[in-house]
Amino acid sequence: DTAVSQTPKYLVTQMGNDKSIKCEQNLGHDTMYWYKQDSKKFLKIMFSYNNKELIINETVPNRFSPKSPDKAHLNLHINSLELGDSAVYFCASSQARAGYGYTFGSGTRLTVV
Amino acid sequence: AQKVTQAQTEISVVEKEDVTLDCVYETRDTTYYLFWYKQPPSGELVFLIRRNSFDEQNEISGRYSWNFQKSTSSFNFTITASQVVDSAVYFCALTHQGGSEKLVFGKGTKLTVNP
Repeated sequence: DTAVSQTPKYLVTQMGNDKSIKCEQNLGHDTMYWYKQDSKKFLKIMFSYNNKELIINETVPNRFSPKSPDKAHLNLHINSLELGDSAVYFCASSQARAGYGYTFGSGTRLTVV
Repeated sequence: AQKVTQAQTEISVVEKEDVTLDCVYETRDTTYYLFWYKQPPSGELVFLIRRNSFDEQNEISGRYSWNFQKSTSSFNFTITASQVVDSAVYFCALTHQGGSEKLVFGKGTKLTVNP
């Protein structure tokens, strides 16, 4: 019974395409996040949502658009994919304002060719 | 601004050696939380420990131990009697109480344990 599940696990696509990554958590957490891990393994936050409200948008190109239909889901849509978007994208969730730490999904490896 | 520095990019040891991974952090908050995560070759991020800024007690969990020292802003991680399965990238991370709770990660230390 996966706590934070994201799909797909692997995504290979051509430049210029539009793609989405889905994330769902069954932990009852208030806050969800998207992190990007680049080829050097550096992890950086992209977005966070608290109860469907966007609270962090960290200088991410506007080709990236998160959507949170409810507090258990946070999807990431990427328009006009570029080679530099190739990375591993992690979804995570946490209880807000508690510093309890995150539960991460298993990651989506996006490869743009 | 918050910052986490893991100065060791890569460490290689032989099985059964002890190894310490360093983590130094910067923050202006008085209430904050520190974490260690493990990322094995399979790629998932595995939570190891969370420590709040008011609790400076060291912690031991099996072969793992953590040394938190506010005076030097460090939160170091020691693996005793390392094993091949400990080979992974280890991340130290920081967040603060309230607000967005975003995690700020260090750049990670790649640990290779050779048989």
